[in-house]
Amino acid sequence: AQSVTQLGSHVSVSEGALVLLRCNYSSSVPPYLFWYVQYPNQGLQLLLKYTSAATLVKGINGFEAEFKKSETSFHLTKPSAHMSDAAEYFCAVSDGSSNTGKLIFGQGTTLQVKP
Amino acid sequence: EAGVAQSPRYKIIEKRQSVAFWCNPISGHATLYWYQQILGQGPKLLIQFQNNGVVDDSQLPKDRFSAERLKGVDSTLKIQPAKLEDSAVYLCASSPGPWAEQYFGPGTRLTVT
Repeated sequence: AQSVTQLGSHVSVSEGALVLLRCNYSSSVPPYLFWYVQYPNQGLQLLLKYTSAATLVKGINGFEAEFKKSETSFHLTKPSAHMSDAAEYFCAVSDGSSNTGKLIFGQGTTLQVKP
Repeated sequence: EAGVAQSPRYKIIEKRQSVAFWCNPISGHATLYWYQQILGQGPKLLIQFQNNGVVDDSQLPKDRFSAERLKGVDSTLKIQPAKLEDSAVYLCASSPGPWAEQYFGPGTRLTVT
């Protein structure tokens, strides 16, 4: 069975500092991996996705993530945090062999950006 | 283009009452999803439709939850009777197909008292 673990339910950084949100996955088949962002009282928005092409994936708003098979990780980074990045971030995995594209989400990480 | 629409945005009911949520997906999107997001957790898929057929309802509590997607467009999710543990945000998402990007609506926040 597939699963996702996000390390740290809350992360706090200063504006301009590096953002690092951690995600580890478990999958018996090559996974598809995703990062979503959720702002208060809004739905989820896709930041980026890995679907077995380049291991370094660039997304919107300056975010990127690197797929590391040996570490079963897909950590999200951004070189310089902005106040507008404060939100909840979800990592998700999908079974690449499934015909449904079903997503399994982690429990989420709340990013706080301090001025 | 218009996004995924959901209504109502908020609903408060007492336990054992019934409630229904409505979702209008992005025009032309064949795949529709209902997720349950309990406070402090990630979304959990309840049911997935491909056009008007169900492709995955393995995590839908079928003794109290039901969903339909008539004519392969709008969808409704119903809970009858509601329990306290059903308090959550119910998210609807749609995509052109099972493997395409999912677009999420703003959700319906349900409080069961």
